[in-house]
Amino acid sequence: DARVTQTPRHKVTEMGQEVTMRCQPILGHNTVFWYRQTMMQGLELLAYFRNRAPLDDSGMPKDRFSAEMPDATLATLKIQPSEPRDSAVYFCASGLASGGVNEQYFGPGTRLTVT
Amino acid sequence: AQSVAQPEDQVNVAEGNPLTVKCTYSVSGNPYLFWYVQYPNRGLQFLLKYITGDNLVKGSYGFEAEFNKSQTSFHLKKPSALVSDSALYFCAVRDAPYGGATNKLIFGTGTLLAVQP
Repeated sequence: DARVTQTPRHKVTEMGQEVTMRCQPILGHNTVFWYRQTMMQGLELLAYFRNRAPLDDSGMPKDRFSAEMPDATLATLKIQPSEPRDSAVYFCASGLASGGVNEQYFGPGTRLTVT
Repeated sequence: AQSVAQPEDQVNVAEGNPLTVKCTYSVSGNPYLFWYVQYPNRGLQFLLKYITGDNLVKGSYGFEAEFNKSQTSFHLKKPSALVSDSALYFCAVRDAPYGGATNKLIFGTGTLLAVQP
């Protein structure tokens, strides 16, 4: 049963520290998405990759956030320095862009708490 | 710009009764619509999608959705609700800025479904 995996599942850190979240997309998928979910803002798209190339990161605060895909099996989202307002659940999703309209598959999320 | 609206923050239904979770959309071009479900402390799970064809789409866990072009709606339905259906439900539409297609989805704000025993 293919799944998107994310690590860590939970992260508590102090303000100013660097946070790195990792995602392994489903094998064979060529699109990867990073979302942030909070009670106040709901689900927000942070970044979107296709074939490892960043296509859209307009939803990401670029002064402190960065997203990369070092290879097809790993996507990373980094926050440096972290702030309390970054506390949220961060989801990675992957999909297959094949000319059709295909659904995204979500990982279990990383719950980040910044104190 | 593409958008979806979920007019109800919460829907309450008794177990065994039919349920409907509402979604309306606004798109330029053909709408590609999705429903996802999120259980507590979990990621979103895909339920079903409408691309073209039959207006009644069947999905996972006994859910179905009816596409209505004249009312620009894509309501999620189930004939008989279960307590285990209690979760947060999201409607989504494929983003197509300036008429071009992307793989991005635009999600609604979510509707909390509470099924009482």
